[in-house]
Amino acid sequence: GAVVSQHPSWVICKSGTSVKIECRSLDFQATTMFWYRQFPKQSLMLMATSNEGSKATYEQGVEKDKFLINHASLTLSTLTVTSAHPEDSSFYICSARGSSGFDSPLHFGNGTRLTVT
Amino acid sequence: GENVEQHPSTLSVQEGDSAVIKCTYSDSASNYFPWYKQELGKRPQLIIDIRSNVGEKKDQRIAVTLNKTAKHFSLHITETQPEDSAVYFCAANFGNEKLTFGTGTRLTIIP
Repeated sequence: GAVVSQHPSWVICKSGTSVKIECRSLDFQATTMFWYRQFPKQSLMLMATSNEGSKATYEQGVEKDKFLINHASLTLSTLTVTSAHPEDSSFYICSARGSSGFDSPLHFGNGTRLTVT
Repeated sequence: GENVEQHPSTLSVQEGDSAVIKCTYSDSASNYFPWYKQELGKRPQLIIDIRSNVGEKKDQRIAVTLNKTAKHFSLHITETQPEDSAVYFCAANFGNEKLTFGTGTRLTIIP
């Protein structure tokens, strides 16, 4: 149980274009999902908390107008990188908890490797 | 603030020996401490976790210990095997729904 699916696995786009990444909880409902970014050989940095039916909560230093998050249903959250630039190239991973309670594990999607040329 | 420190950043261990990775956290309100294993280009996978009401937890060759007074927790891998080679991340919640991750340890098992 607690499977999180992320799509696409990788994407290459040109500078200035936008890219949408989807995160789905396949066998459970997730009122909250988390979006992380990971640069090569670095840790997972939380970008934002996605809340179903309400606005996302962004971490300090993350531009909300650049990284648009939509959590329209209990099983789907999307991250759109708008006007992408080479410095946005990174590994983006979503996650969700399969059960309630802050002391339960996060389950991660497969991640999306974004390359902006 | 929310901070998790992890040491060492790299660790090489002879196959069959034990590996220990240590983390410290800043908020005494933290009550959940998972460990994740991440292979190159793949998603982090939960390998073990511990809650604040427990001092130690073991699952076959993997164990985690927690010292709430000192605010540190450790991952212990015994009888290491080549497939244990990966990057390991500790994490802690800070009394809320978010998890903050340590900086990671690249573990290499030498055959």
